[in-house]
Amino acid sequence: DGGITQSPKYLFRKEGQNVTLSCEQNLNHDAMYWYRQDPGQGLRLIYYSQIVNDFQKGDIAEGYSVSREKKESFPLTVTSAQKNPTAFYLCASTPPGSDTGELFFGEGSRLTVL
Amino acid sequence: GQNIDQPTEMTATEGAIVQINCTYQTSGFNGLFWYQQHAGEAPTFLSYNVLDGLEEKGRFSSFLSRSKGYSYLLLKELQMKDSASYLCAVLDSNYQLIWGAGTKLIIKP
Repeated sequence: DGGITQSPKYLFRKEGQNVTLSCEQNLNHDAMYWYRQDPGQGLRLIYYSQIVNDFQKGDIAEGYSVSREKKESFPLTVTSAQKNPTAFYLCASTPPGSDTGELFFGEGSRLTVL
Repeated sequence: GQNIDQPTEMTATEGAIVQINCTYQTSGFNGLFWYQQHAGEAPTFLSYNVLDGLEEKGRFSSFLSRSKGYSYLLLKELQMKDSASYLCAVLDSNYQLIWGAGTKLIIKP
């Protein structure tokens, strides 16, 4: 079945460590996104990519980095520069030529910094 | 600034009807989305409104008034599985999605 796969589902990290969250999709979607979700707040856009080898900063890109070497893959690295990284991270994609821009989400990765 | 307002939490009874409101102030408007999110899971798409009026889809309906900056999601014949958070999001003039904080809906037997 087609979909978006995020891994790991749960991740614990010590302060000062970088961690990479995986996002893979087999939907043949061009555009991919990373969001952060915190309790009591709306989803906030970290980075997005409309095409391979190109990506743009979202509203809260500081302390994060991404790559888009393949259409199917859009990994997110949470660096030690991110001051408050504990959150639920969601990867999403949209199909090409979508009239509505409907997002398809992965299951999410919950990162906890100890 | 851009803003989306939704109630934080609502409670309703199984079998009843509930209306979740969303008001928005954004720079431009290119559509409004409703997503459902069960605890610890990914949001799933419910509806998209770009023109004024009511869109019905089974037990769920979504209404939009662009002049009032207002939308609501109407859930009929509530079931226990409808307990979830409901997220309102607006596509602004730059085609960026602005998200509300979500409304947690609790269904009681």
